[in-house]
Amino acid sequence: AQSVTQPDIHITVSEGASLELRCNYSYGATPYLFWYVQSPGQGLQLLLKYFSGDTLVQGIKGFEAEFKRSQSSFNLRKPSVHWSDAAEYFCAVGAVDSSYKLIFGSGTRLLVRP
Amino acid sequence: EAGVAQSPRYKIIEKRQSVAFWCNPISGHATLYWYQQILGQGPKLLIQFQNNGVVDDSQLPKDRFSAERLKGVDSTLKIQPAKLEDSAVYLCASSPGTGVFNEQFFGPGTRLTVL
Repeated sequence: AQSVTQPDIHITVSEGASLELRCNYSYGATPYLFWYVQSPGQGLQLLLKYFSGDTLVQGIKGFEAEFKRSQSSFNLRKPSVHWSDAAEYFCAVGAVDSSYKLIFGSGTRLLVRP
Repeated sequence: EAGVAQSPRYKIIEKRQSVAFWCNPISGHATLYWYQQILGQGPKLLIQFQNNGVVDDSQLPKDRFSAERLKGVDSTLKIQPAKLEDSAVYLCASSPGTGVFNEQFFGPGTRLTVL
């Protein structure tokens, strides 16, 4: 069965420091992978997506992610975190069974120290 | 362009009561989704509509949950009767069509508390 694991429930980084959020997926076919951000009281916003091709994908707000098939991972990175990046981040895989659907991980809450 | 609208934003009810949520998708979006997001978990798809037809409701607890999209535009999700475990944020999303290449746009959600 398809699944997404985000092993870190919370991560705290200092403003200006680099960030890496981990995501591992389980999916039999070529995965379609996504990262979403959810700020308090807001809906989810798509940061970036991977369908095929270059394994390093760029997204909005200075985020990037790298797809590593051998490790079944799609980790999100940012070289320098801003206080406004504090939010919850969700990794998702696009799966097809009875229909196309997104399967989300449980999320990682990012806290930013001033 | 207006985003996905949802109402109410918050709702508190007693168990065994009924509740309804409303969603208005982005204009022109044919596909509409309802997700349930329990605290500490990621969103889980409850039901997917394509225009006014149901594409996937395999994870909808049909004994108490129902949803409709009568005119292929806005949608309502109902819970009757509510249980404590229904406490969650209910997210509505829409996309131009189905499939991986159609980005889903999410509304702000309705936070339901069942006491």
